[in-house]
Amino acid sequence: EVQLEESGGGLVQPGGSLRLSCAASGFTFSSYWMHWVRQAPGKGLVWVSRIKTDGSFTQYADSVKGRFTISRDNAKNTLYLQMNSLRADDTAVYYCAREGYYAATESWGQGTLVSVSS
Amino acid sequence: QSALTQPPSASGSPGQSVAISCTGTSSDVGNYDYVSWYQQHPGKAPKLMIYEVNKRPSGVPDRFSGSKSGNTASLTVSGLQAEDEADYYCSSYVGNSAFVFGTGTRVTVL
Repeated sequence: EVQLEESGGGLVQPGGSLRLSCAASGFTFSSYWMHWVRQAPGKGLVWVSRIKTDGSFTQYADSVKGRFTISRDNAKNTLYLQMNSLRADDTAVYYCAREGYYAATESWGQGTLVSVSS
Repeated sequence: QSALTQPPSASGSPGQSVAISCTGTSSDVGNYDYVSWYQQHPGKAPKLMIYEVNKRPSGVPDRFSGSKSGNTASLTVSGLQAEDEADYYCSSYVGNSAFVFGTGTRVTVL
């Protein structure tokens, strides 16, 4: 069974940093592109970032480019999102997701909440 | 990367059909056959319902179907059931390994 479990969320002050992790199990992690998607409270889904199977290629939404860094450790079956210079509008539940079909994410974690506030 | 445009709400009685539109531009929906649809129940993670415009993952009922014409994609739910009441989001590939979601549509089963 495919499982994705996010962790690392919490309360952080504006300008601060946080690193999210997503532990993957039940599949060959190194064979799949992976994504981060976020959802502000009561709002819609927003795509954040995508990473290639071997970590050699990454892409970001304009809203996080230069502040967030996606990475992966295939030996540890873990996806990461390093978030720097956090702003109030980064407050959201952050989901990791597996791209099981090209350009579509068919497995999602339950999300981890990031709150940016003073 | 502007969000794709969806109607805020849609509704139908049990057994009826409801269609949800997803309007983008010639740079996203109109340029790629990589439109996906997701269902999200309150407090839950999204679930993939349609990928590549009109393909269903295994386990998704054939009551769910997708299509695209020009810059607009559509999701149709036929034979509405109570459990179909949820938020629905479209998503499109926009090139250069980037994506965009739609604004979301809340479907209510009357």
